[in-house]
Amino acid sequence: KAGVTQTPRYLIKTRGQQVTLSCSPISGHRSVSWYQQTPGQGLQFLFEYFSETQRNKGNFPGRFSGRQFSNSRSEMNVSTLELGDSALYLCASSATSGRADTQYFGPGTRLTVL
Amino acid sequence: AQKITQTQPGMFVQEKEAVTLDCTYDTSDPSYGLFWYKQPSSGEMIFLIYQGSYDQQNATEGRYSLNFQKARKSANLVISASQLGDSAMYFCAMREQLMDTGRRALTFGSGTRLQVQP
Repeated sequence: KAGVTQTPRYLIKTRGQQVTLSCSPISGHRSVSWYQQTPGQGLQFLFEYFSETQRNKGNFPGRFSGRQFSNSRSEMNVSTLELGDSALYLCASSATSGRADTQYFGPGTRLTVL
Repeated sequence: AQKITQTQPGMFVQEKEAVTLDCTYDTSDPSYGLFWYKQPSSGEMIFLIYQGSYDQQNATEGRYSLNFQKARKSANLVISASQLGDSAMYFCAMREQLMDTGRRALTFGSGTRLQVQP
């Protein structure tokens, strides 16, 4: 079974621009979660989608948004980029969103904002 | 308060020796899950092991075992017979039901960087 894939792997943008990141979950998985990882803040939860519905959202400004399609693929969008948005963005998929459901991560998208 | 605490920012271990990475957690949810992930320098998070709050026995997966002490809210990862390829960041994580939203979310600790020396 193919793992979680994320595209693109690397991105360089300038302040004020917007960016869209894509995530394809493991086949059969219906839950997709997004995380931001920075040296200063560590791993922080952005949001979780299940069957095209946002089930949970972390403490991030409205510039961060996401969606999930009927095939479970997910995108996240960051508008009006700031320097502090430079980070590794990780996507994870799981079969459901239960307590015991293991999240499997993709390789991440490394975003640099100049 | 920190939900997941990993007190060891960095650890060294000799190849072939065992090492324990500490993790303590805090939750009021009686039904939670604990996970350990490995993150090599490439960046991808690799799932290692899972322990449910109601599991009676400690979880094991190959060279990985989880020393689960529920009363102490401790979930330490033990790696036996360390290998050079074990050098990476290790994250402890907890999936619990959030009181304010009723939804489940995965919270990570700050990680421990393990370096295996030949």
